[in-house]
Amino acid sequence: DSGVTQTPKHLITATGQRVTLRCSPRSGDLSVYWYQQSLDQGLQFLIQYYNGEERAKGNILERFSAQQFPDLHSELNLSSLELGDSALYFCASSALGAGQSYEQYFGPGTRLTVT
Amino acid sequence: AQRVTQPEKLLSVFKGAPVELKCNYSYSGSPELFWYVQYSRQRLQLLLRHISRESIKGFTADLNKGETSFHLKKPFAQEEDSAMYYCALSTGATNKLIFGTGTLLAVQP
Repeated sequence: DSGVTQTPKHLITATGQRVTLRCSPRSGDLSVYWYQQSLDQGLQFLIQYYNGEERAKGNILERFSAQQFPDLHSELNLSSLELGDSALYFCASSALGAGQSYEQYFGPGTRLTVT
Repeated sequence: AQRVTQPEKLLSVFKGAPVELKCNYSYSGSPELFWYVQYSRQRLQLLLRHISRESIKGFTADLNKGETSFHLKKPFAQEEDSAMYYCALSTGATNKLIFGTGTLLAVQP
């Protein structure tokens, strides 16, 4: 078990709604990454936080936002949901994230279904 | 642009046959390449990273900068190797991973 936890496992909601996905990194890991896995786009990097600060942004929509709290857990907020946001959202953590390459440990994912 | 290409969506082989999962990348700097595996209903796990040059579960991968490739190989496939395999590129600056679209390896008995 990699130690990264994500809640909830499954989420079903309607278009236009807002949801929050939660991720707890492995103990001691300072970096958190969010990825979206969908059938048409594959696995795409969304955003990275390092020790509470945003470090890198990928293909993240303006309707989406994230933050990392002092206890290092992270939340991904998705608002004004559309059908196309249905996907598996992964969180990963690593020991460091700036200029050094460390293994990323992935969580089990949250499956979001927008109806 | 940074990109990872896995040309095969599905690779089906018989048990004991050699396996090669193809991966090509596009990046002008010095890349770091990874192979991740996702078994059915499980999370993504790191299988190999090119800098470690190790063999995990019989799999090896060599970075070929001339051909910008990082193909994953195993001489004799096992049924338990059936899984989704993703090639990924890290540019190092932020450690974010750029994934290929994945190849589903199906090992038939």
